[in-house]
Amino acid sequence: DAGVIQSPRHEVTEMGQEVTLRCKPISGHDYLFWYRQTMMRGLELLIYFNNNVPIDDSGMPEDRFSAKMPNASFSTLKIQPSEPRDSAVYFCASSSRRGTTDTQYFGPGTRLTVL
Amino acid sequence: ELKVEQNPLFLSMQEGKNYTIYCNYSTTSDRLYWYRQDPGKSLESLFVLLSNGAVKQEGRLMASLDTKARLSTLHITAAVHDLSATYFCAVDVSRGNEKLTFGTGTRLTIIP
Repeated sequence: DAGVIQSPRHEVTEMGQEVTLRCKPISGHDYLFWYRQTMMRGLELLIYFNNNVPIDDSGMPEDRFSAKMPNASFSTLKIQPSEPRDSAVYFCASSSRRGTTDTQYFGPGTRLTVL
Repeated sequence: ELKVEQNPLFLSMQEGKNYTIYCNYSTTSDRLYWYRQDPGKSLESLFVLLSNGAVKQEGRLMASLDTKARLSTLHITAAVHDLSATYFCAVDVSRGNEKLTFGTGTRLTIIP
């Protein structure tokens, strides 16, 4: 299994630009999570999906952030317009409730820098 | 609001020594996870603890869970340099809620 796949791995953009982060979960997993990690705030859950439906988006910082999951194998996190304070590492994770542990498996992350 | 606190936040220890990282959480939970993160890398699952009194061991690491005390520990035995990393605990509040709340992390540095 290839694990969770994220792209791009690094993104440098200028303030005001639109940024789209992509995630492919592990095949067969029915939960998908988006996290943000910064030195100041640690690891924060932004939003998660179950069977492609958003369940909890209370961690999304503001309206500039949006996430979609059009099918079981693809999700996007979009920031429009981006701001320097959005600079962080964004992780996608997936899990399955078919097992007993529901362990979340993390992707390699996207390091976003907004200038 | 669920709070998950780890201590210490930073730990520097010599090779061969033993030490324990603590994870306290503020509300009832029926499962707790430990993750490892190397600098610049992703999070890797180490242990899943599913019930009170659960103990899991892998190599020099052993994790335990006391749900009554709302406390989990990660014990390191005879530390080696390869264990240098940041360790996170994460709490799942209820079986029906897949949402994890992560602790602050403990940055462990093993000194030769």
